[in-house]
Amino acid sequence: QKEVEQNSGPLSVPEGAIASLNCTYSDRGSQSFFWYRQYSGKSPELIMSIYSNGDKEDGRFTAQLNKASQYVSLLIRDSQPSDSATYLCAVHNNNDMRFGAGTRLTVKP
Amino acid sequence: EPEVTQTPSHQVTQMGQEVILRCVPISNHLYFYWYRQILGQKVEFLVSFYNNEISEKSEIFDDQFSVERPDGSNFTLKIRSTKLEDSAMYFCASALGQETQYFGPGTRLLVL
Repeated sequence: QKEVEQNSGPLSVPEGAIASLNCTYSDRGSQSFFWYRQYSGKSPELIMSIYSNGDKEDGRFTAQLNKASQYVSLLIRDSQPSDSATYLCAVHNNNDMRFGAGTRLTVKP
Repeated sequence: EPEVTQTPSHQVTQMGQEVILRCVPISNHLYFYWYRQILGQKVEFLVSFYNNEISEKSEIFDDQFSVERPDGSNFTLKIRSTKLEDSAMYFCASALGQETQYFGPGTRLLVL
C-alpha cells in the first residue's frame, strides 16, 4: 500500500512567520514529489516539485526532500493571509500519484 | 495560459444511471489522469492514460469505470451504474511528461 502521511492540522501562524509543513511516504521507489495548494471547493494548484535530495527554493517557498528518511517538507516564509489553504503533499511513482490528506494552514493577520 | 477544462461543473444523477464526465486536457500534453475527492477527504488517484491506453489504475477503478479519448481533444470518464458512494468531486489532470500534472476545475457529482 502506497501511503502518504501529513499532519492534518490545523496549523496556525501569524502573518510574516514561517509555516512548516511535513509529509512522509511509504513507497521507497517514489521518484517525484510535489506540493499542491487547495482552496476550499477548488482544484489542487501546483506550488513546487522536487526530485532530488536537498532543498529547492522558489520565491517564498522552499521544498526539502530526504529520500533516506522518506520525508518531504515545505517551508513558507513571510506567510500571508492569502496563503491560508490546505497544502497537499503528492508522491509520484511510475504512472500514478498518491496524495496525502493535506494540512490546513491558517495565517492570521 | 493554457488550462485543463472540465464539463459539466456540476452533475446530479439518480443511483444506477450512467454518467460521463468530460475533460479537455492542455493541447500538447500526452499523459491524462482522473482523480476523485470525496467531500472532506483526500484526493484519490483513479487512472492514468497514455498512448490511447490505461497505464495504471487504482483499486477504486473497478469495472463500473471506463475512460476514453474519443478524439484528439477530449478525455472522458464514464461511470456505468452510479452508486451513492460515487458522489464526489472528480478532477481531470494532464501532463506533458510523466511528472508535473495540471488539474482541471473539477466536476461535482451528486448521486441521489
